[in-house]
Amino acid sequence: GEDVEQSLFLSVREGDSSVINCTYTDSSSTYLYWYKQEPGAGLQLLTYIFSNMDMKQDQRLTVLLNKKDKHLSLRIADTQTGDSAIYFCAESMGGGSYIPTFGRGTSLIVHP
Amino acid sequence: DAMVIQNPRYQVTQFGKPVTLSCSQTLNHNVMYWYQQKSSQAPKLLFHYYDKDFNNEADTPDNFQSRRPNTSFCFLDIRSPGLGDAAMYLCATSSTAGSTDTQYFGPGTRLTVL
Repeated sequence: GEDVEQSLFLSVREGDSSVINCTYTDSSSTYLYWYKQEPGAGLQLLTYIFSNMDMKQDQRLTVLLNKKDKHLSLRIADTQTGDSAIYFCAESMGGGSYIPTFGRGTSLIVHP
Repeated sequence: DAMVIQNPRYQVTQFGKPVTLSCSQTLNHNVMYWYQQKSSQAPKLLFHYYDKDFNNEADTPDNFQSRRPNTSFCFLDIRSPGLGDAAMYLCATSSTAGSTDTQYFGPGTRLTVL
């Protein structure tokens, strides 16, 4: 199976919270990332979490990490139409010398 | 602003006609990557450079080549594009000096093969 798995689609109403989930298999993963890709653009780093953390909050974004279950989630509060994009989960071993492994991406659709 | 720049943003070529995509960066990062991304898929790593050291992924076709003449520039050459090579090509950079493996991506070049 895939090393990093995500569901492919998520549809939410504007103003609601979005939760995008990701599971990974490598227990030695040290850093877990969320990237955002808008249509026709490259990937933009949203946030990352170190593996010894359970939670990280940055404005409307909350990242939760369950290391035991190898489960990562990204919660977007008060989702806006501008949040519509593909969100990629990625993991790496850190230290600056490893290449992140990406999931296939979750397409978030925000409707009025 | 420091950034990763890709030119052109859109490239149309004919079947079998060589094409070169370019990437430049002002981040002074020592690692540069080329990814191929097709619709609804994760970016697929083609190759990367650690400084001048070239690293090819095992399943990257021979049709794809790369050059890195200096720290700032990296090129992707597709010698004989096929219809299956139509995709978005993403350039990324990172630094081995950091504690994370964060990659910084360019906006991509959308390649169309006629």
